[in-house]
Amino acid sequence: EVQLVESGGGVVRPGESLRLSCVASGFTFGEYGMSWVRQVPGKGLEWVSGINWNGKSTGYTDSVEGRFTISRDNAKNSLFLEMNSLRVDDTALYFCVRVGQDESNNNWFDPWGQGVLVTVSS
Amino acid sequence: SYELTQPPSVSVSPGQTARITCSGDALPKQFANWYQQRPGQAPVVVIYKDTEKPSGIPERFSGSSSGTTATLTISGVQAEDEADYYCQSSDYMGKYPWVFGAGTKLTVL
Repeated sequence: EVQLVESGGGVVRPGESLRLSCVASGFTFGEYGMSWVRQVPGKGLEWVSGINWNGKSTGYTDSVEGRFTISRDNAKNSLFLEMNSLRVDDTALYFCVRVGQDESNNNWFDPWGQGVLVTVSS
Repeated sequence: SYELTQPPSVSVSPGQTARITCSGDALPKQFANWYQQRPGQAPVVVIYKDTEKPSGIPERFSGSSSGTTATLTISGVQAEDEADYYCQSSDYMGKYPWVFGAGTKLTVL
């Protein structure tokens, strides 16, 4: 069974940092791209960041560019999101997702972890 | 930045057909994916690449796309289909950033 388990969430003050982790199991982690998607409670989904299978290609949504860094350790089946200079509007449930991809570079998210809550509050 | 537009809500009676649309300028060239999110649960992909259906998704779910609009169709809606539905795509050859629509709340009357 494919599983994604996030950890590292918590309550921090504006300007502080947090590192999210996601441990994958049930598939060959190093063969897939991965992403982080977040959701403010009661609101919609927002793609945050993505990384390709070998870590050499990354992308970010504009609002986190320069503050967040995505990375991975294929030997440990792990995905990370380093979040610096956190803001109140970064408060959300953060999902770790596996990226399905075909030979034409079309992508979709499957499956999703259960999410980890990040709260930024003074 | 690229945007995908969905209706905020759709309501249907059990057994009827629900259609949820997603509009975006790049959809003639880019596939759309659809996710179902029930309250308190993580999203699940129900349609990918416009029309493909993952194993385990009921037959009543289908997808289509024409021009700048992708459509998720649920035929013979059941009470368990009440959920939020999100479309997702990108604006150029699958490259970052990837974008979600704002979501559509499907209510089964």
